[in-house]
Amino acid sequence: DAGVTQSPTHLIKTRGQQVTLRCSPKSGHDTVSWYQQALGQGPQFIFQYYEEEERQRGNFPDRFSGHQFPNYSSELNVNALLLGDSALYLCASSLGTREQYFGPGTRLTVT
Amino acid sequence: AQSVTQPDIHITVSEGASLELRCNYSYGATPYLFWYVQSPGQGLQLLLKYFSGDTLVQGIKGFEAEFKRSQSSFNLRKPSVHWSDAAEYFCAVGNDMRFGAGTRLTVKP
Repeated sequence: DAGVTQSPTHLIKTRGQQVTLRCSPKSGHDTVSWYQQALGQGPQFIFQYYEEEERQRGNFPDRFSGHQFPNYSSELNVNALLLGDSALYLCASSLGTREQYFGPGTRLTVT
Repeated sequence: AQSVTQPDIHITVSEGASLELRCNYSYGATPYLFWYVQSPGQGLQLLLKYFSGDTLVQGIKGFEAEFKRSQSSFNLRKPSVHWSDAAEYFCAVGNDMRFGAGTRLTVKP
């Protein structure tokens, strides 16, 4: 049973560019959440998707957007990248509101 | 405002010694409570969770945690620490998974 997978593993972008990160949930899970983890800090909740709709959103600007597909996989898009967007982006999946299981993350570096 | 506090940024214990990592929260009602562990460069692994019922919960790798409503705390414990337990530990609260800032555990041989 594959766990949560994320791609790519690492990514380097330039300020002002746009980026798309991808996540496949654990088998049987229908909910996907995204987190940003800056170096030395705890993960910060970006948003959560359920039934292809954004169900909850944290305190992140509209530059951060997402999508969930019918197969429950998800994408995180970040527009107009800033240096401060450099972080580890974590995807987590769950069955409804039960415990979340995390993927290994995508390390984004903005130069 | 909802918040999660892990008062200890860094803890060092000797191998074989007992461990307690603190977590305090501020929330409107009794929330879901979690402890996760993160090794360097890795994602987060769920150690244990509390939803309701028995306030002492057992997790993986010999960890346990106790929910104390009166103290708004959910402290993580392990009776005997192994060198492989060295990692970053995060407490998380609620459906929207508010995380604490983490406690880095160092284990001395």
